[in-house]
Amino acid sequence: AQSVTQLDSQVPVFEEAPVELRCNYSSSVSVYLFWYVQYPNQGLQLLLKYLSGSTLVESINGFEAEFNKSQTSFHLRKPSVHISDTAEYFCAVSDTGGGNKLTFGTGTQLKVEL
Amino acid sequence: KAGVTQTPRYLIKTRGQQVTLSCSPISGHRSVSWYQQTPGQGLQFLFEYFSETQRNKGNFPGRFSGRQFSNSRSEMNVSTLELGDSALYLCASSLADWGSYEQYFGPGTRLTVT
Repeated sequence: AQSVTQLDSQVPVFEEAPVELRCNYSSSVSVYLFWYVQYPNQGLQLLLKYLSGSTLVESINGFEAEFNKSQTSFHLRKPSVHISDTAEYFCAVSDTGGGNKLTFGTGTQLKVEL
Repeated sequence: KAGVTQTPRYLIKTRGQQVTLSCSPISGHRSVSWYQQTPGQGLQFLFEYFSETQRNKGNFPGRFSGRQFSNSRSEMNVSTLELGDSALYLCASSLADWGSYEQYFGPGTRLTVT
């Protein structure tokens, strides 16, 4: 069984400031790691994923996340946020053994203020 | 390429009724997964279908069922609706049933049970 913990339910930040959204996971098997973003009244969009290889993964819109196996973490960071980054962010894991079942964290609401 | 479509987008039902939700995956995708999203429980996996076979099932009562057709379109059914079934139901499609493939989410069906 797997579980995902997102400790921060809400993160307020000023525009152009850096932000880190924390994610820790627990699993008895190897996992893939994902960050999804959800804008109001929309479905989820994949932001980035870690499958294997380099522990630092990046998205096209400036977000990055680093897989830390010893700390079982996959924190999401952005050096300078924009108003348009306001959304809910979900960390998720899936079993590398097959299947598409995602186990999600409870989400972090990122609110970017002017 | 068209995205994942879900119909209907909004639905209001009465306790005790049953409901059927539909999901059309991206063309060529053979895997469809369903999730329930509520403020209290967050995002929870319902089931996954691949090539018309249920691949995985979450911890939901038997009132929740699903199926997938030969054209990969999927339906989920909830019988004897309860107030607690009010939620956003999301489906996601993927090329294959390996967790490394990206999953694309639809906009969801908002079900309200009164």
